[in-house]
Amino acid sequence: DTGVSQDPRHKITKRGQNVTFRCDPISEHNRLYWYRQTLGQGPEFLTYFQNEAQLEKSRLLSDRFSAERPKGSFSTLEIQRTEQGDSAMYLCASSFDGNSPLHFGNGTRLTVT
Amino acid sequence: KNEVEQSPQNLTAQEGEFITINCSYSVGISALHWLQQHPGGGIVSLFMLSSGKKKHGRLIATINIQEKHSSLHITASHPRDSAVYICAVRSYSGGGADGLTFGKGTHLIIQP
Repeated sequence: DTGVSQDPRHKITKRGQNVTFRCDPISEHNRLYWYRQTLGQGPEFLTYFQNEAQLEKSRLLSDRFSAERPKGSFSTLEIQRTEQGDSAMYLCASSFDGNSPLHFGNGTRLTVT
Repeated sequence: KNEVEQSPQNLTAQEGEFITINCSYSVGISALHWLQQHPGGGIVSLFMLSSGKKKHGRLIATINIQEKHSSLHITASHPRDSAVYICAVRSYSGGGADGLTFGKGTHLIIQP
């Protein structure tokens, strides 16, 4: 069990560019969650997957955001046409099921210049 | 009003002191999580509870479902306990159907 890993750890991009983040959950975990955290705030829910199915999307997730978990294992979060307001820490977490503790990755810190 | 309120927002204490961090919530929940976040962003799950009390080492978490309140206690605090402690609830509404609603966190500093 290597834990939840996220890649990259840091991403600096120019406004208007597209970025993609990857999350590898713990292998036997069926649930995968994406959160966003800005400075001084707690994480905010973005979306979650049960295996490959995306079951819930927050209204925070605008049309520029898309997430996939094609084989029910790793997940990607893409942001198109990035804006400065997208600058945040993007956290991924996984759990075995809805009643199990969450395991978080170290996050991807996005800076949009 | 946020669904999850933590107090205090910031806490500085001396090594060895008994620490209490509080979390109040306003919605019906199925579970409450206490999380620890160190500088750099990594989050560690400390407890998940839906009733009563749990203990792990020097950490104790309690929850009172009727009062919609939970506390995290740290006994014999140590500088390595310095971190942000976040309360999160899995509610039946808000935060997404199966997501969590997080408090803003309590920033704890333990001075040697």
